[in-house]
Amino acid sequence: NAGVTQTPKFRVLKTGQSMTLLCAQDMNHEYMYWYRQDPGMGLRLIHYSVGEGTTAKGEVPDGYNVSRLKKQNFLLGLESAAPSQTSVYFCASSDNRGYSDEQYFGPGTRLTVT
Amino acid sequence: RKEVEQDPGPFNVPEGATVAFNCTYSNSASQSFFWYRQDCRKEPKLLMSVYSSGNEDGRFTAQLNRASQYISLLIRDSKLSDSATYLCVVNRNTGNQFYFGTGTSLTVIP
Repeated sequence: NAGVTQTPKFRVLKTGQSMTLLCAQDMNHEYMYWYRQDPGMGLRLIHYSVGEGTTAKGEVPDGYNVSRLKKQNFLLGLESAAPSQTSVYFCASSDNRGYSDEQYFGPGTRLTVT
Repeated sequence: RKEVEQDPGPFNVPEGATVAFNCTYSNSASQSFFWYRQDCRKEPKLLMSVYSSGNEDGRFTAQLNRASQYISLLIRDSKLSDSATYLCVVNRNTGNQFYFGTGTSLTVIP
């Protein structure tokens, strides 16, 4: 099992450009999450999904959109990138017990917006 | 007020030492508690869940104090390989949202 994978691993964008980050998991997990990690801020939840076709906002959703068209994939989109979105983005998944279960994280995507 | 607060450290301890980290959470409705470990520039990985009665896994002991709303992690006989950042994580039973502390940095010195 590959676990949770993320594409791409690194990316540099210019302000105003758009991009999509892809997260894929092969563990048949119901729940998937997108976080960003900034120095001194810890991990903050952007959006999450409790199943195929469903999404919900987390703590810091502004400037991001998500889609979960297939159970194994969770996409994070930046429509118009801003320097404040420079961060490390982690995707995670967990089993359908949700809040009480372990989260498995992908290796992260390091995004720089200039 | 932040949902989860941790002392960022850094904690620099010699090999073989015992070190303890504390974490406080603000919402009394929090139901699930965890310690994750994150190595430099890597993804977080679950170290252990924290149960009401306290739990131990080898050299690691986790405690939960609901009355005071804090969680602790004790590491005995520290190894060089324990050097990492330790993240405190809580979840309420609604909303499926996990809240992470900023992490406590540990360096074990030979």
